[in-house]
Amino acid sequence: EVQLVESGGGLVQPGGSLRLSCAASGFTFSRYWMHWVRQVPGKGLVWLSLINNDGRRTTYADSVKGRFTISRDNAKNTLYLQTNGLRAEDTAVYFCARAGYSSTLIDHWGQGTLVTVSS
Amino acid sequence: SYVLTQPPSVSVAPGQTARITCGGNNIGSKSVHWYQQKPGQAPVLVVYDDRDRPSGIPERFSGSNSGNTATLNISRVEAGDEADYYCQVWDSSSDHWVFGGGTKLTVL
Repeated sequence: EVQLVESGGGLVQPGGSLRLSCAASGFTFSRYWMHWVRQVPGKGLVWLSLINNDGRRTTYADSVKGRFTISRDNAKNTLYLQTNGLRAEDTAVYFCARAGYSSTLIDHWGQGTLVTVSS
Repeated sequence: SYVLTQPPSVSVAPGQTARITCGGNNIGSKSVHWYQQKPGQAPVLVVYDDRDRPSGIPERFSGSNSGNTATLNISRVEAGDEADYYCQVWDSSSDHWVFGGGTKLTVL
């Protein structure tokens, strides 16, 4: 069974940083592209970033480019999102998600970790 | 950047067919995927590549895509189908994955 478990969320002051992690199991992690997606409570899904299976290709939404960095450790079956320069509008639930057989779709999601940016 | 437009809400009586649209410029040239999200839960893929269903998704869920509109159809709607539904595409020009704003399906 595919499992994605996020961690690392919490309360952080504006301008601060957090590193989110996503532990993957139940599949060969090194074969799959991975995403981060966020959702402000009560609002819609917003795609943030993608990393390909070997980590050599990454892409970011304009809203986080230059502030967030996606990475992965295939030996540890773990996906990361380093978030810097956090703003109040970054407050959201952050989901990690697995790209499907077709890289255009997402076929499995974690349960999310809440990041709250507030003083 | 590419924009997907969904109606904020759709209401339907049990047993009827719900149709949720997703508008985008020439969206018919892209593969559209649909996700269902119930309160407090992660999204679940219900239709991919315009019209295909993952294993475990009822045949009541179907999709179509042509021109500037993709549509998710849910036939014989049940109370358990009440959820938010999101369309999604990959925009090759920006190399970004894009979600629609979501549609809240209410079963009357």
